[in-house]
Amino acid sequence: KQEVTQIPAALSVPEGENLVLNCSFTDSAIYNLQWFRQDPGKGLTSLLLIQSSQREQTSGRLNASLDKSSGRSTLYIAASQPGDSATYLCAPAERGFKTIFGAGTRLFVKA
Amino acid sequence: GAGVSQSPRYKVAKRGQDVALRCDPISGHVSLFWYQQALGQGPEFLTYFQNEAQLDKSGLPSDRFFAERPEGSVSTLKIQRTQQEDSAVYLCASRGTGGSRTEAFFGQGTRLTVV
Repeated sequence: KQEVTQIPAALSVPEGENLVLNCSFTDSAIYNLQWFRQDPGKGLTSLLLIQSSQREQTSGRLNASLDKSSGRSTLYIAASQPGDSATYLCAPAERGFKTIFGAGTRLFVKA
Repeated sequence: GAGVSQSPRYKVAKRGQDVALRCDPISGHVSLFWYQQALGQGPEFLTYFQNEAQLDKSGLPSDRFFAERPEGSVSTLKIQRTQQEDSAVYLCASRGTGGSRTEAFFGQGTRLTVV
């Protein structure tokens, strides 16, 4: 059974810092991996998708890497802003594209 | 439609009452997923449909939970005889075809409170 772990569970940083959020998963037989953002009381917004054959994807200030063989993904956020405050969820998709989630990293960026 | 739509957004049920939660996926998306999210936790997988076929229901917590997608588009998650532990946000997601390039898109969720 796929298990996803995200570290740290929570993070509070001053504005402008560069951040690294870590995700590990136990079953490397995945098709892709998505990083999502969730604001309080809201649904999930997809940030980046990395296909299993890719090593990284970039969107604006976000960069996500994938090391499928070791079961790890990293989300890098450059020059953090208060508007980045949210919970970030890592979600590998396995057989049938069933997406399994970690518990998330709660990020607070202080102005 | 433009996105995944869920209704109602909020539902308060008395313990023992039956509830039905609706999901309208993105038009043309063949895969549909239901998740349960407890406060402060990540979403937990409940069940998965490909068109009208329910291919995986391993995450349904008890036989009080039932999901259907009779025509391969709209889906309903039904919870019978609700209990307080059923209180959570229920999220629906859909995916199109396109192999490993295919993203999952989520609705805003239905917040169920059982009192």
